[in-house]
Amino acid sequence: AQSVTQLGSHVSVSEGALVLLRCNYSSSVPPYLFWYVQYPNQGLQLLLKYTSAATLVKGINGFEAEFKKSETSFHLTKPSAHMSDAAEYFCAAGRGSTLGRLYFGRGTQLTVWP
Amino acid sequence: EAGVTQFPSHSVIEKGQTVTLRCDPISGHDNLYWYRRVMGKEIKFLLHFVKESKQDESGMPNNRFLAERTGGTYSTLKVQPAELEDSGVYFCASSQVTGGGETQYFGPGTRLLVL
Repeated sequence: AQSVTQLGSHVSVSEGALVLLRCNYSSSVPPYLFWYVQYPNQGLQLLLKYTSAATLVKGINGFEAEFKKSETSFHLTKPSAHMSDAAEYFCAAGRGSTLGRLYFGRGTQLTVWP
Repeated sequence: EAGVTQFPSHSVIEKGQTVTLRCDPISGHDNLYWYRRVMGKEIKFLLHFVKESKQDESGMPNNRFLAERTGGTYSTLKVQPAELEDSGVYFCASSQVTGGGETQYFGPGTRLLVL
């Protein structure tokens, strides 16, 4: 079965600093990968998705993620953190173009200090 | 276009009671999913509808959980009788498969607390 691991349940950065949220997946077949964000008292919002078209995926709000098959990783980055980025971030994987269930990591809570 | 909506947003019930959660998917979306997040753990899949049919219900924890999607529109998830371990956030998601693949769009969730 597929599994998704997010390293670090909490990450804190200063405003303007680099954001790096880590995600690794395990699968014999490269899956479809997603990053979702949940702001306080809101639902999950799609940030970006990898569907094998390009290894570097750009998302909303300045976030991007790079698919690295050799490392089975899909880390999320943003060059300069903003206070409004404070939220919980989820990495998820699905099997293919018709996803069926998604497999989620445990989530990473991002805190941004002024 | 309206997103996925869920009702109620919060529910507090006592052990042994019944609760029914509702999800209205994005109009035209054939796929509807239920997920649950227990505190401190990952979001886990419960089941998947394609229109009114259950495509995959392998994530349902036990027979106290009953999901329906009559007419292939909104869905309900009933928990009867509720137990303490059923507490958590229940998410609904919907999707439609297009040339660009499938993206699941999530609702805000229902926060269920069983006392």
